[in-house]
Amino acid sequence: DAGITQSPRHKVTETGTPVTLRCHQTENHRYMYWYRQDPGHGLRLIHYSYGVKDTDKGEVSDGYSVSRSKTEDFLLTLESATSSQTSVYFCAASGSAGETQYFGPGTRLLVL
Amino acid sequence: GESVGLHLPTLSVQEGDNSIINCAYSNSASDYFIWYKQESGKGPQFIIDIRSNMDKRQGQRVTVLLNKTVKHLSLQIAATQPGDSAVYFCAETPPGGYNKLIFGAGTRLAVHP
Repeated sequence: DAGITQSPRHKVTETGTPVTLRCHQTENHRYMYWYRQDPGHGLRLIHYSYGVKDTDKGEVSDGYSVSRSKTEDFLLTLESATSSQTSVYFCAASGSAGETQYFGPGTRLLVL
Repeated sequence: GESVGLHLPTLSVQEGDNSIINCAYSNSASDYFIWYKQESGKGPQFIIDIRSNMDKRQGQRVTVLLNKTVKHLSLQIAATQPGDSAVYFCAETPPGGYNKLIFGAGTRLAVHP
């Protein structure tokens, strides 16, 4: 798992509430990523970070924000959760842009 | 947009047989490809990768073949074992987009004793 942990592993929330998911890595990787995984869509990139306080949007960034205040932590926030954000969220990390991405165990989020 | 797809959503094989999982990619300029294995309830696990300047790469019991002419990628697993049962994803990196892996929808491999 390349030293990547995610918390919480499971969460149930209500529509309209804010939600923050945390990714923590111990390998000092420069790049970190958030993906969502839905049936029929594979994994889709939400946001990524290429350094502390440096982030950029991915394919499906609407409704999500991220923050990275230190190398080891990358936070994903749903400002006002919607049912369409029910998904499994994976964090990944890599040493550089061209290196293999290693994934965490995932967070299963249910928005009621 | 650019996408990576798979020909077979489910593949069933007998234990000990060889497995071949196929993948088509749409961007002829993509230059890096990865196969991931995902077991139930876990995150994707790196299996093997290949760059566009290669046609074939071998690992332990796995081989990835890249056919740039027809934009096709395959993963071969030799002597398939029950522990190989999982969903397999191919992913591509478009040129200049090393930060942005594009994943296919996945193929489920079921290994029967």
